[in-house]
Amino acid sequence: NAGVTQTPKFQVLKTGQSMTLQCAQDMNHNSMYWYRQDPGMGLRLIYYSASEGTTDKGEVPNGYNVSRLNKREFSLRLESAAPSQTSVYFCASISLGQRIYGYTFGSGTRLTVV
Amino acid sequence: AQKITQTQPGMFVQEKEAVTLDCTYDTSDPSYGLFWYKQPSSGEMIFLIYQGSYDQQNATEGRYSLNFQKARKSANLVISASQLGDSAMYFCAMREDMIYNQGGKLIFGQGTELSVKP
Repeated sequence: NAGVTQTPKFQVLKTGQSMTLQCAQDMNHNSMYWYRQDPGMGLRLIYYSASEGTTDKGEVPNGYNVSRLNKREFSLRLESAAPSQTSVYFCASISLGQRIYGYTFGSGTRLTVV
Repeated sequence: AQKITQTQPGMFVQEKEAVTLDCTYDTSDPSYGLFWYKQPSSGEMIFLIYQGSYDQQNATEGRYSLNFQKARKSANLVISASQLGDSAMYFCAMREDMIYNQGGKLIFGQGTELSVKP
């Protein structure tokens, strides 16, 4: 099915460990985004990629890095995980045309850092 | 800088009644878009409705309508004939720079949790 696929769905890390969250979309969208969702705070933008080859910081980029590997894939890396990075992470994509269908979101990755 | 505010942490509505979820925004960009998303307890983000700053009419999608008051910078979501399945978290979001489509940032409000009572 067409959409945004995130892996893994769940992950537990120890403080200081590193990991990469993967995101892939098969809708030929130009722009991709990484958000984190914490209780009572809505979704906050970490990084985004307006098009292949470009990346920009969002509201809360500290402690994260991203790679736009190709048009389909946009990964988020935690180099040294901290308990404050415990959150649900969402990847999203969009290409804007005449009709706005909204950003398409993946199902999320629930990350716990202990 | 763009900003989105949802001032209602939680709302209750009786089944079959209408409910309005508030959203105010701030931006200096004349070209922007406003989005509403629904997040049920299962966690997925479901796109509901979109309103462009230059759209002449308020957006409607089935039971959802957007009460867009540009001068007041508000974009309230109206759900008519509430159903039990409407119980969820609802997020308002805004994106600037809609004209050039350069993949601008989508910024979210804090959300409103809607509970529909039978």
